Amino acid sequence: GQSLEQPSEVTAVEGAIVQINCTYQTSGFYGLSWYQQHDGGAPTFLSYNALDGLEETGRFSSFLSRSDSYGYLLLQELQMKDSASYFCAERADDKIIFGKGTRLHILP
Amino acid sequence: GEEVAQTPKHLVRGEGQKAKLYCAPIKGHSYVFWYQQVLKNEFKFLISFQNENVFDETGMPKERFSAKCLPNSPCSLEIQATKLEDSAVYFCASSLRPPTSLVEQFFGPGTRLTVL
Repeated sequence: GQSLEQPSEVTAVEGAIVQINCTYQTSGFYGLSWYQQHDGGAPTFLSYNALDGLEETGRFSSFLSRSDSYGYLLLQELQMKDSASYFCAERADDKIIFGKGTRLHILP
Repeated sequence: GEEVAQTPKHLVRGEGQKAKLYCAPIKGHSYVFWYQQVLKNEFKFLISFQNENVFDETGMPKERFSAKCLPNSPCSLEIQATKLEDSAVYFCASSLRPPTSLVEQFFGPGTRLTVL
């Protein structure tokens, strides 16, 4: 079946930049999404990449390389409120398949 | 409405009891998805609907799980004879377009099911 790999935890400092990587399997791949989930909350959509390259939305950017089956989420000017779990999600065939999430810890 | 609504927020059931969860998608969204999230880990896809029709049910444990989306009613997910391993947060999401052209799903706040 499909699976996505992302680190379970990442720690960064307030004001810094952090990159969260995601690798995916290619069968039926259409695109890669990123979602943010705060503790006890619902996931919220951040970005989507169907083509190679960088998509920028404010402090958050997402990158995709289809040839490498790889993408990442880049968070700049980190704020304490960015402490959350970040999930990459692969759109493959008719399904959306989520990774296990990366817990982002931000230090003051 | 403008948000996906899920009820109840919390549900506690004894092992073997029935559990029923409800979801009202965003008005105008034709696609509804149910996911199970155990211990803040990955979201396991259960089932999706296009209006009242099942779109994809490949993630559903068929023996005890069932779901419906009837016209003019909230969608529902029902678990017969709950087991301890069913304890999870169940999220409903809706979207305007099908997964084949999907960019964004809008998630509800979830229902936390605890099976004792």
